Amino acid sequence: QKEVEQDPGPLSVPEGAIVSLNCTYSNSAFQYFMWYRQYSRKGPELLMYTYSSGNKEDGRFTAQVDKSSKYISLFIRDSQPSDSATYLCAILTGGGNKLTFGTGTQLKVEL
Amino acid sequence: DAGITQSPRYKITETGRQVTLMCHQTWSHSYMFWYRQDLGHGLRLIYYSAAADITDKGEVPDGYVVSRSKTENFPLTLESATRSQTSVYFCASRRGLASPGNEQYFGPGTRLTVT
Repeated sequence: QKEVEQDPGPLSVPEGAIVSLNCTYSNSAFQYFMWYRQYSRKGPELLMYTYSSGNKEDGRFTAQVDKSSKYISLFIRDSQPSDSATYLCAILTGGGNKLTFGTGTQLKVEL
Repeated sequence: DAGITQSPRYKITETGRQVTLMCHQTWSHSYMFWYRQDLGHGLRLIYYSAAADITDKGEVPDGYVVSRSKTENFPLTLESATRSQTSVYFCASRRGLASPGNEQYFGPGTRLTVT
């Protein structure tokens, strides 16, 4: 079983829609979860992180962790064409050294 | 202030050739990483380094060699390139152990094609 799994999409939504991106993970001991955004032909960049459980909000973005179901989510409100990118979830593994990434979900926000 | 750079950005090579991808960071971060990104597999860790002269294998190390004689450089060598190593390679760096606020930064990537 993979440590983290993510639906690759692609996901296409109209501008202004609420977007939900999701990952599942295998080990209940994981506590540090991140979302990276990657524009086409660029390196990933950190969007948000959450530690342990609960919600974290930053502008139009909300990261949520449900430890009981081992599920992490990223919500984007009022989505914009500039949000079109690939979103990768990541989990801290390897005793604090390594990040394990999901395969990424490709999002397109259309006018 | 360049941050983290990779060279070359694009490379085409033939099967069996040796290829070295370069990574340079200007922050004096102790940790450096090499990932490959392939459709359907996402980002997979090849090797990482916690400090100069300290390296360790990641998820997919076979066919690759790394060295780290200086903190700021972390070259990745494909000793005898194979078509299965066609991929986009990303270098990353981080100040220390991953923790809130201790972000991992990625370079722009090197697109490698092995013919």
